[in-house]
Amino acid sequence: SQQGEEDPQALSIQEGENATMNCSYKTSINNLQWYRQNSGRGLVHLILIRSNEREKHSGRLRVTLDTSKKSSSLLITASRAADTASYFCATGLQGGFKTIFGAGTRLFVKA
Amino acid sequence: DVKVTQSSRYLVKRTGEKVFLECVQDMDHENMFWYRQDPGLGLRLIYFSYDVKMKEKGDIPEGYSVSREKKERFSLILESASTNQTSMYLCASSRSHLSRLPGANVLTFGAGSRLTVL
Repeated sequence: SQQGEEDPQALSIQEGENATMNCSYKTSINNLQWYRQNSGRGLVHLILIRSNEREKHSGRLRVTLDTSKKSSSLLITASRAADTASYFCATGLQGGFKTIFGAGTRLFVKA
Repeated sequence: DVKVTQSSRYLVKRTGEKVFLECVQDMDHENMFWYRQDPGLGLRLIYFSYDVKMKEKGDIPEGYSVSREKKERFSLILESASTNQTSMYLCASSRSHLSRLPGANVLTFGAGSRLTVL
């Protein structure tokens, strides 16, 4: 089964609104990452948060991590039509090598 | 611009054929990965390699094998393709988690290879 599970599976918002996606995972992690995928393409790394960090910002992105609840959230502020994509959380497991992905959240931003 | 290159963007093969998917990275990364992506299932790890000639099974290795003869190249092999292997295949690479250089554990993906097995 997948290590990470995103919620919601799909999200539709208006341009300018904020988009929040959540991720839950099952085992202890070394880090948690968020990736973006445009339709039919490879994934692009957005942000990494380490297990000893609680919050991280990058431009319009804000990621939080709660290791006690084994959950993370990705907030995209002031969304744009170009943010339309699938977003995946991925967990770097303790012990190092593997990165396990969830099923993703499909975000649609209406202009 | 650093990148991961997958040799074929689209392939159509017949059941029973042997299929090679090639992946090359130019970032001198230690780790390389093969995932498959199916609707509703996200990305599932098939195999990964943390060094030349080293390979480890991921979550769904059955029906696949891999080869890493050189650091920059990681090949996925379907010995006898079946229809349930129709999927998008994604190759990725990363620095070792033991590296002190920035970007350790961050995956760089190729554009993907969409395989259809008839």
